[in-house]
Amino acid sequence: GENVEQHPSTLSVQEGDSAVIKCTYSDSASNYFPWYKQELGKGPQLIIDIRSNVGEKKDQRIAVTLNKTAKHFSLHITETQPEDSAVYFCAASFSGAGSYQLTFGKGTKLSVIP
Amino acid sequence: NAGVTQTPKFRVLKTGQSMTLLCAQDMNHEYMYWYRQDPGMGLRLIHYSVGEGTTAKGEVPDGYNVSRLKKQNFLLGLESAAPSQTSVYFCASSSGVWEQYFGPGTRLTVT
Repeated sequence: GENVEQHPSTLSVQEGDSAVIKCTYSDSASNYFPWYKQELGKGPQLIIDIRSNVGEKKDQRIAVTLNKTAKHFSLHITETQPEDSAVYFCAASFSGAGSYQLTFGKGTKLSVIP
Repeated sequence: NAGVTQTPKFRVLKTGQSMTLLCAQDMNHEYMYWYRQDPGMGLRLIHYSVGEGTTAKGEVPDGYNVSRLKKQNFLLGLESAAPSQTSVYFCASSSGVWEQYFGPGTRLTVT
C-alpha cells in the first residue's frame, strides 16, 4: 500500500518568513495530493490540493509543488502570520476505480513566532 | 449548511462497554469515511462507504463496525471497547474521490 513520509515534524519560523513542509510517497500510481491544516481541537481543513497533471498550484500565500519523478511534493507558505500556526498534514491517493483512500503523513506542527 | 457534524463530542467508556458514534452530512455527498487520530500517527482510515448501503474496510478496521443505512449518515460502532481504542475519531465526506471534508471530531477515552 501507499506510504507517506512527512518532514519536518516540527517547524518554527519568525512571522513574515517562509515555511516549507515536504512529503514523499511510495506508490507511483498516486495522482492526488491534498494538504490539510488542523487547528487545536478542530477537524482537518483542506487548504490546497494538486493533481498529477500539474507541477505547481498557488492560492494567495500558499503553494504546492509536485515532482512525480522523485515522488515528492511540498507545501510553501510565504509571509507567515501567527494564524498560520497549526498542524499541517499531507496526503496521497490513487483516485482510480475502486480506490478512495487517502494516506496521510504524520503531520508537521508549525509555530509562527510574532 | 452545517457540513459534517459528529455526535457526541466527548465520551468516556469502561473497557467492554459498547457505543455508537454518529456522523451526519448535509452536502449530499456519496462517500463517507471514519478515521482515528493518535498522537504522532496522523490520521488512519478505519472504514469507509461509497454510497448508501455500502461499507468497506480501511487500514485499521479491527474492533469497529459501521453502517450506512441513509446517505447522509454514517455510524461507527464499538462492540466491546478496549483502552487501545482511546483516540480522537473524525468523520469525513466527499462528493467524489477528491476533496474530503472533515467533522469536528469525537474524543473517546476508554478506561
